[in-house]
Amino acid sequence: ILNVEQSPQSLHVQEGDSTNFTCSFPSSNFYALHWYRWETAKSPEALFVMTLNGDEKKKGRISATLNTKEGYSYLYIKGSQPEDSATYLCASSGTYKYIFGTGTRLKVLA
Amino acid sequence: EAQVTQNPRYLITVTGKKLTVTCSQNMNHEYMSWYRQDPGLGLRQIYYSMNVEVTDKGDVPEGYKVSRKEKRNFPLILESPSPNQTSLYFCASSPWGGGRNQPQHFGDGTRLSIL
Repeated sequence: ILNVEQSPQSLHVQEGDSTNFTCSFPSSNFYALHWYRWETAKSPEALFVMTLNGDEKKKGRISATLNTKEGYSYLYIKGSQPEDSATYLCASSGTYKYIFGTGTRLKVLA
Repeated sequence: EAQVTQNPRYLITVTGKKLTVTCSQNMNHEYMSWYRQDPGLGLRQIYYSMNVEVTDKGDVPEGYKVSRKEKRNFPLILESPSPNQTSLYFCASSPWGGGRNQPQHFGDGTRLSIL
């Protein structure tokens, strides 16, 4: 089983702070890196899918980068808002399988 | 509305009593998958299907069966449930075969408790 690791496990920030999390994945048998946002009592929602080394994706205040050679991806949130509070999951996909990390739980304090 | 629908949402049952969790998607997606989520372990893939009649094991397939007789449906079957299968289950689908570079769409989850 490939290991996908996320850090930190949890994070508390003040409203307006910018923050970032890390997702590390094995670079062998890699095809794509996925980021999902998961709010309590809801289902995970897709944020980004990245495949190429150096990829950068942006959606509003949230952006992500990908380094396939060293096996990591960063997720950035600029000017965090209370509604950004959620668990952020990353997953590495190879052929048809997905390996998820355990997530980073973000709490944005008003 | 594009969606993945799971039923039931909640179920409490007893050891050994066969159960089926249904999953249906209305997006004509080829790829479907089942996951379980346990505290501290994250989402783990149980089974996936690349297309009708094509399924394969994920990382934790023991104790589960699946079938894909129609493109829209991908039921998860627990022939003889045991307490260690108590978990939160998610079904997901994505557009094309493998769905590797397409995001997955998740159902709302099914919380199973097996006593």
